[in-house]
Amino acid sequence: EAGVAQSPRYKIIEKRQSVAFWCNPISGHATLYWYQQILGQGPKLLIQFQNNGVVDDSQLPKDRFSAERLKGVDSTLKIQPAKLEDSAVYLCASSLGLAGGLATGELFFGEGSRLTVL
Amino acid sequence: KQEVTQIPAALSVPEGENLVLNCSFTDSAIYNLQWFRQDPGKGLTSLLLIQSSQREQTSGRLNASLDKSSGRSTLYIAASQPGDSATYLCAVPNSGGSNYKLTFGKGTLLTVNP
Repeated sequence: EAGVAQSPRYKIIEKRQSVAFWCNPISGHATLYWYQQILGQGPKLLIQFQNNGVVDDSQLPKDRFSAERLKGVDSTLKIQPAKLEDSAVYLCASSLGLAGGLATGELFFGEGSRLTVL
Repeated sequence: KQEVTQIPAALSVPEGENLVLNCSFTDSAIYNLQWFRQDPGKGLTSLLLIQSSQREQTSGRLNASLDKSSGRSTLYIAASQPGDSATYLCAVPNSGGSNYKLTFGKGTLLTVNP
């Protein structure tokens, strides 16, 4: 079974430039998450999708970050304009999501996209 | 708001030693608890998931326990090997249902010396 795919693995940009990250979840997984992990910290949730709808984006800095999940499969996370403090690893995760009304919780993560903002 | 704490932040042990990693959480009304491993520059690999009705879960040399009432979980690694060197993270969900999302600790950086 293929895992969660992310690209690019690494990206270096200058502040005020834009960047986009792509994620393809495990086939059949309804729930998709984007997490931000700053060096030395645990991952922090940015946005959660259930199929193609947003469930939680309360911690997404909406003035510069945007995300979409068209057709309920792939997702793209965009940062525009980037700031120095956006340097982090951006992790995409997926889970089966709702099944019979209950969340089937186990999350599966991709390799992450490491962003360096100079 | 759920908060997750992991102690110690870093641990260095000689090969072959048994060790315990600790995780505590502030809201004991959890749905389950998940332990992950993260190698440098890599994503997170799920190790064990313990449902709230379970007290422990085992996979090979790993054993995770859960005490919901005290808000604690431990990850026990038996006969540690250099290949176990990684950061270990625990995470708990805020609730079940459609808004299921994980809150992570900062992790424990484990180094197993040959």
